[in-house]
Amino acid sequence: EVQLVESGGVVVQPGGSLRLSCAASEFNFDDYTMHWVRQAPGKGLEWVSLITWDGGNTYYADSVRGRFTISRDNSKNSLYLQMNSLRIEDTALYYCTKESQTQSPYYYYYMDVWGKGTTVTVSS
Amino acid sequence: DIQMTQSPSSLSAYVGDRVTITCRASQSISSYLNWYQQKPGKAPKLLIYAASSLQSGVPSRFSGSGSGTDFTLTISSLQPEDLATYYCQQSYNSLRTFGQGTKVEIK
Repeated sequence: EVQLVESGGVVVQPGGSLRLSCAASEFNFDDYTMHWVRQAPGKGLEWVSLITWDGGNTYYADSVRGRFTISRDNSKNSLYLQMNSLRIEDTALYYCTKESQTQSPYYYYYMDVWGKGTTVTVSS
Repeated sequence: DIQMTQSPSSLSAYVGDRVTITCRASQSISSYLNWYQQKPGKAPKLLIYAASSLQSGVPSRFSGSGSGTDFTLTISSLQPEDLATYYCQQSYNSLRTFGQGTKVEIK
């Protein structure tokens, strides 16, 4: 079964750092773009970041750019999110997602596999 | 960034009703629009991709339509298990964005 399992979520003080991990299984991890999506308590989904299959391109939401870094290790089938200068508003459940795409002639992109998430709480 | 606006924010309907949720993009996104369902306490699940393509395993009562800036998710006959929050999401550019969600309740 295709699976994503996030880990690393803890309680951290404002200004602190944290590294989230996502372990992928039962698919060719290095073929796919991967994302982090978060959900603050009682709120909607917020896209955080994406990384292309080879790590060559990364993108960030304005709310985290300059503070978060997405990376991957294809040899370990793993995705990471390094979170620095954490703020109270970064408190959320963080999901790892796999992105698939349709075939030609048009390439449409969609997140077809989601993990169960890991909880990050930023609090003093 | 492309802003996605859903309406309504919530709705309540009877089992068997036809339910329609609307999503509007702040600029044209062609058919780069996906819909997700999130049941309480669960991770989101893909329902519709490329505006109108039904994800494998999703019941046929769900359908999507639209292109450009205006999109619709329709549940043809609401079932008790459809209690959830529904989100649209654009994949037109690399900075993906979600709508704010529509909570569907059963009367």
